[in-house]
Amino acid sequence: GAVVSQHPSWVICKSGTSVKIECRSLDFQATTMFWYRQFPKQSLMLMATSNEGSKATYEQGVEKDKFLINHASLTLSTLTVTSAHPEDSSFYICSAEDSLNSYEQYFGPGTRLTVT
Amino acid sequence: ELKVEQNPLFLSMQEGKNYTIYCNYSTTSDRLYWYRQDPGKSLESLFVLLSNGAVKQEGRLMASLDTKARLSTLHITAAVHDLSATYFCAVDASGTYKYIFGTGTRLKVLA
Repeated sequence: GAVVSQHPSWVICKSGTSVKIECRSLDFQATTMFWYRQFPKQSLMLMATSNEGSKATYEQGVEKDKFLINHASLTLSTLTVTSAHPEDSSFYICSAEDSLNSYEQYFGPGTRLTVT
Repeated sequence: ELKVEQNPLFLSMQEGKNYTIYCNYSTTSDRLYWYRQDPGKSLESLFVLLSNGAVKQEGRLMASLDTKARLSTLHITAAVHDLSATYFCAVDASGTYKYIFGTGTRLKVLA
């Protein structure tokens, strides 16, 4: 149980375009999901907390107009990187908190974004 | 602001040896997590530590938590090559359910 999927697993896009990444909890409901970014050989940095049915909460320094988050259902959150630039190239990982067991987050397999 | 530091950042060790990775955090938290990450992959959950004095073991890995000292350890016993990976601790920023990750420890076990 407690499986989180992400789609796509990797994506290449051109500068100036937008990319949408999906995060799904497959066998549990998640009122809260989290989005992280990881640059090569670095740790995970929390970008934002995604709350079902309400606005996401962004961490300091993360541009909310650039990284659009939508959490429209209890099993799906999306992250859209708008007007992508090469510096947005990174590994994006989502996690989902089981609504019934809130002490643990379950991590997705990650999405590798390359902006050319 | 909650800060989580790990040491060492890099660790190269011989097979069969023992070693400990340390995770220090700066503010109160009762929840600490250990993860393993292989290159190009996401996180694999290793341990969930939810109270002071918690100790958990799985195979050659053992984790403990001392909330008073704000310290967790990940002990490796008789290392094998398959344990080569990056290990992260993460602390639940108390009351927020947000995870703050440590700097990571890149472990390389030499055959």
